[in-house]
Amino acid sequence: DQQVKQNSPSLSVQEGRISILNCDYTNSMFDYFLWYKKYPAEGPTFLISISSIKDKNEDGRFTVFLNKSAKHLSLHIVPSQPGDSAVYFCAASARGGAQKLVFGQGTRLTINP
Amino acid sequence: DTAVSQTPKYLVTQMGNDKSIKCEQNLGHDTMYWYKQDSKKFLKIMFSYNNKELIINETVPNRFSPKSPDKAHLNLHINSLELGDSAVYFCASGTQGSNQPQHFGDGTRLSIL
Repeated sequence: DQQVKQNSPSLSVQEGRISILNCDYTNSMFDYFLWYKKYPAEGPTFLISISSIKDKNEDGRFTVFLNKSAKHLSLHIVPSQPGDSAVYFCAASARGGAQKLVFGQGTRLTINP
Repeated sequence: DTAVSQTPKYLVTQMGNDKSIKCEQNLGHDTMYWYKQDSKKFLKIMFSYNNKELIINETVPNRFSPKSPDKAHLNLHINSLELGDSAVYFCASGTQGSNQPQHFGDGTRLSIL
């Protein structure tokens, strides 16, 4: 039962354009959402997060949008740079407890020069 | 300074052997986690310890035994290794009850021959 889904295994974007990565979830108890970036042979690195009380969070080139009614979030990267090429994981957790992270299966983003 | 460090980075061993993976964090977090990334690239929680107390155990076989000597360390011991244990194991740390991101180590790639 995959509670967090990233339906696009890969995405290719031209340098300088916008990259949009999508994520859907099914568990309405999730109230905290994160995006992690992962390079080969390294661990996931935290990128940006959003609480369920917000619908948008921005940090530099990265913006995360949350649509609670659709149970959907997206990560926008503008402008895309070659160093952004990596696998991006969406993750979610529910309030309280040990904050177990439930991950999507990842989207491989390739930025073409 | 590495925030979450795990050793070894690579571990190649034969079926039936017993092996351990060590993890240490210097972030002052009170909670540590083990995640497994399987061949399909799904990252799934295995265990979580808060101040040396087990708080998450995701129906992992008894052959896997986490040990937390103090809140900065969480080791993973695996008995009688099987082919299906081949995966990348990630250690992470965080603060329970806070909406702060978990920080991950670089992973240990375990290969069973």
